Amino acid sequence: AQKVTQAQTEISVVEKEDVTLDCVYETRDTTYYLFWYKQPPSGELVFLIRRNSFDEQNEISGRYSWNFQKSTSSFNFTITASQVVDSAVYFCALNANDYKLSFGAGTTVTVRA
Amino acid sequence: NAGVTQTPKFQVLKTGQSMTLQCAQDMNHEYMSWYRQDPGMGLRLIHYSVGAGITDQGEVPNGYNVSRSTTEDFPLRLLSAAPSQTSVYFCASSYYRTGQETQYFGPGTRLLVL
Repeated sequence: AQKVTQAQTEISVVEKEDVTLDCVYETRDTTYYLFWYKQPPSGELVFLIRRNSFDEQNEISGRYSWNFQKSTSSFNFTITASQVVDSAVYFCALNANDYKLSFGAGTTVTVRA
Repeated sequence: NAGVTQTPKFQVLKTGQSMTLQCAQDMNHEYMSWYRQDPGMGLRLIHYSVGAGITDQGEVPNGYNVSRSTTEDFPLRLLSAAPSQTSVYFCASSYYRTGQETQYFGPGTRLLVL
């Protein structure tokens, strides 16, 4: 069975602050993929990143960065110097070889000007 | 290239009514799926298909039917709507090659069952 836990329900920050979203996953498979999706207030789901279980290299893309640690089964996401446009619900998801994405409950990020 | 499209965007049904949520993709993706999103629960898989003529159940299939007659289309049918089916429905698609392709989502259909 697969499970994704996003313990933070809501995070509120002031613009320019950094914000880190936690994601902890469970799977018995040794091969799996982890994803982050963003859902802005308009409602669509936007793909942000995919990471496979054999690649623990951290990644930075502009103001976004991801920290993947297999030892703690975590795939955390950091927004640096947050902006109002970052306000959204962020979902972490897990796919272990069967295309069935398991989503966390999501973290709502509110960035105040 | 329109990506994944869904119709309608919003629908109100009365309990017991039936309807079909439409999903289409123009990326020649083999894999298509339906999820429902409920507050505090993330997205949950309803049904999925790995190609035309092949469908299977996901985590929450009860009350829903699907079929896949073409690669492009994957409609979701509610046979007898219930208030518990009030939700936002997302269709997604991806290639089906390595087993780990990224799924891309449609804009969603908001369904209210009274």
